[in-house]
Amino acid sequence: SQKIEQNSEALNIQEGKTATLTCNYTNYSPAYLQWYRQDPGRGPVFLLLIRENEKEKRKERLKVTFDTTLKQSLFHITASQPADSATYLCALDLSGTYKYIFGTGTRLKVLA
Amino acid sequence: DADVTQTPRNRITKTGKRIMLECSQTKGHDRMYWYRQDPGLGLRLIYYSFDVKDINKGEISDGYSVSRQAQAKFSLSLESAIPNQTALYFCATSDGSRTGTYEQYFGPGTRLTVT
Repeated sequence: SQKIEQNSEALNIQEGKTATLTCNYTNYSPAYLQWYRQDPGRGPVFLLLIRENEKEKRKERLKVTFDTTLKQSLFHITASQPADSATYLCALDLSGTYKYIFGTGTRLKVLA
Repeated sequence: DADVTQTPRNRITKTGKRIMLECSQTKGHDRMYWYRQDPGLGLRLIYYSFDVKDINKGEISDGYSVSRQAQAKFSLSLESAIPNQTALYFCATSDGSRTGTYEQYFGPGTRLTVT
């Protein structure tokens, strides 16, 4: 069956360091992968999209990589700040259907 | 004003009651989605609609129904609520057809408790 895995354990990191979050999937061939940020009690907010033919995408302090051979995406936040503390979700499209499967998310806490 | 709104924001209801959650959007998107979120299970798709006449079941549609009253409105109904439908419900929209983007815009959520 199709499955997406994100580290369910919270990630604590010191301010200024780079946070790296992982999204692994099986039994998919997604055309693109998305990352979202979710704050407690709020809806997810879109951050970045990376397509299957792209290896890396950047936006300000954010960087996403996509390895379709390993079936893995890495999400990096450089120079992390306490305001980056949130849960981060990855989502994959079910190829050509415009439906999305979400991971369970990883909670990031940036310590001042 | 928010682009995607949901009403009510919080609701407590009893087992067996019918309840409707409403979603409205001002983004002009064709695609609308209903998800529920449970701790440890993430977001799961209940129903989705690509236009007013196109409604499809998601992975967990049993016990739910939907209505797409207009391009901007998509309602989720629980015909006879049960306690395991207690969850946080999100409506989302997307527009991949015109702009080539696929991001989803989420509403603020409805916290539903069934006692």
